Amino acid sequence: ETGVTQSPTHLIKTRGQQVTLRCSSQSGHNTVSWYQQALGQGPQFIFQYYREEENGRGNFPPRFSGLQFPNYSSELNVNALELDDSALYLCASSFSGGVADTQYFGPGTRLTVL
Amino acid sequence: TQLLEQSPQFLSIQEGENLTVYCNSSSVFSSLQWYRQEPGEGPVLLVTVVTGGEVKKLKRLTFQFGDARKDSSLHITAAQPGDTGLYLCAGYNSGYALNFGKGTSLLVTP
Repeated sequence: ETGVTQSPTHLIKTRGQQVTLRCSSQSGHNTVSWYQQALGQGPQFIFQYYREEENGRGNFPPRFSGLQFPNYSSELNVNALELDDSALYLCASSFSGGVADTQYFGPGTRLTVL
Repeated sequence: TQLLEQSPQFLSIQEGENLTVYCNSSSVFSSLQWYRQEPGEGPVLLVTVVTGGEVKKLKRLTFQFGDARKDSSLHITAAQPGDTGLYLCAGYNSGYALNFGKGTSLLVTP
């Protein structure tokens, strides 16, 4: 059974640029959630995708967008990067898209915005 | 606004000592989860507690969910260096988003 994988591991961008982060969900899972973890903080929910549709969204601006593909992998896109977007971006997969699903996290992508 | 408050924020102890980490909220949660996160890694689920008053044990770790389902604690007996990491509590308040606390950073020295 393959766990959740994310790419790239690390990324450095400059303010104003755009970035795409990728996530492959665990085998058998159809739901992907994205979280932002700033240094010294707990993860903050960005949004969740279930069966290729956005299933819920946290308090993040529209320049944070996502996609889920038929194979349940997912992308997180961030436009017009700001310095405060520097963080660890975590992807988590789960099975049914329901409330209180157990989520399995990937290792994260460390994004640095200069 | 942080729904879940964790304390202490940092903890540095010697191998063999016992410790307790707390997770408190003014909100009721349908369940609470505890995760451990190591540097450069994603959080790894340790346990889920669902019923008020529930106690779960995982080797030297004991997890308790408050009767009112607003708080939880994690007790580690005879801590070992391998217990070092960031301990996060998280819960579903409503909807699909896991709400996390800021975490307790634990360092266990030999």
